[in-house]
Amino acid sequence: SQQGEEDPQALSIQEGENATMNCSYKTSINNLQWYRQNSGRGLVHLILIRSNEREKHSGRLRVTLDTSKKSSSLLITASRAADTASYFCATALASGNTGKLIFGQGTTLQVKP
Amino acid sequence: SQTIHQWPATLVQPVGSPLSLECTVEGTSNPNLYWYRQAAGRGLQLLFYSVGIGQISSEVPQNLSASRPQDRQFILSSKKLLLSDSGFYLCAWSVLGASSYEQYFGPGTRLTVT
Repeated sequence: SQQGEEDPQALSIQEGENATMNCSYKTSINNLQWYRQNSGRGLVHLILIRSNEREKHSGRLRVTLDTSKKSSSLLITASRAADTASYFCATALASGNTGKLIFGQGTTLQVKP
Repeated sequence: SQTIHQWPATLVQPVGSPLSLECTVEGTSNPNLYWYRQAAGRGLQLLFYSVGIGQISSEVPQNLSASRPQDRQFILSSKKLLLSDSGFYLCAWSVLGASSYEQYFGPGTRLTVT
């Protein structure tokens, strides 16, 4: 079964608004990561939050992690048209050391100028 | 700095033909290597990963195979392509033994099987 489930599947906002995407997972994790994918391209790592962290910031990105609810959210503030992309959460499981990540299905964000 | 290359960028192949996609990493040693497939509008499905030369783990039974003949080279192959093999194939690497498992992706190969 899918470890990461993302919500919403698609999001359309106006430039300058904030965008919030959510990710839920099922098993204990070592860390959770967010990636961005522009259409037809590879994924780019955005931010990582460890299981013992609750919130992390990087520029206009803010990530929260609630391990009791097994959920995370990615907030993009003051969005720009260039933020249009798909965003994926990925979890590294707590057990084992395989270096594997399990990716969610992604949220497609459209920022209208 | 590290870079990852994939080729070809796009490929159109008939059903039943063989496949070979190549991925190489520069600027790092002993990386973990990964092959993913992404269906249109979907997430990533891990196909294979490797922690060293000749060490391949398969995640899902399928028509594909992978090999790692050199430390920084990862090859995805098929003897006979199926229509269902169409998709976007991504190669990625991560630092061996790093606890973060942060992955770095190549530009991908768009495969269409006709």
